[in-house]
Amino acid sequence: KQEVTQIPAALSVPEGENLVLNCSFTDSAIYNLQWFRQDPGKGLTSLLLIQSSQREQTSGRLNASLDKSSGRSTLYIAASQPGDSATYLCAHQGGKLIFGQGTELSVKP
Amino acid sequence: EAQVTQNPRYLITVTGKKLTVTCSQNMNHEYMSWYRQDPGLGLRQIYYSMNVEVTDKGDVPEGYKVSRKEKRNFPLILESPSPNQTSLYFCASSPDRGEGANYGYTFGSGTRLTVV
Repeated sequence: KQEVTQIPAALSVPEGENLVLNCSFTDSAIYNLQWFRQDPGKGLTSLLLIQSSQREQTSGRLNASLDKSSGRSTLYIAASQPGDSATYLCAHQGGKLIFGQGTELSVKP
Repeated sequence: EAQVTQNPRYLITVTGKKLTVTCSQNMNHEYMSWYRQDPGLGLRQIYYSMNVEVTDKGDVPEGYKVSRKEKRNFPLILESPSPNQTSLYFCASSPDRGEGANYGYTFGSGTRLTVV
């Protein structure tokens, strides 16, 4: 059974810092890996989708990587801003989405 | 604009009073699903549908029903709501289930349900 774990559960950084969020999964036979952002009490916004044949995807200040052999994905946020404060969720996609518990990010001005 | 639309956004109801949460997508997606999100438990799948008239249980289907009579609509029905169904609900759609595919999921804005 696929399980997805995100570390850390919460992270607080000063504005401008580069940071890495981690996502690990138990079954390396994944299809796709999708990163989402969720603001408090709001919906999920898709950030990046890494297809199973890819190793990374980039969008603006965000870069997501996928290493199936080690069962890990990372989300790199460059030059963090207070507006990046949110919960970040990774989800394994294979028949259904299996989510991690999320990393709650706070970027202080 | 391509989107998944859920209604209502907020709902407070009493135990036992039947309710329906609607979900509609305008992207001609075949695959739709419902999730609930609870503190400490994360997002869990309730039901999913691979196409019209094809639905199946997810991880936490008890107390819920769904139907898929049209491709764009996938309503979630609570026949007799109970307080343990108080949660944040999300509808999602995708061009397909994702097995070996190259598509991501699009989520609705959520429905916050409180059952008293």
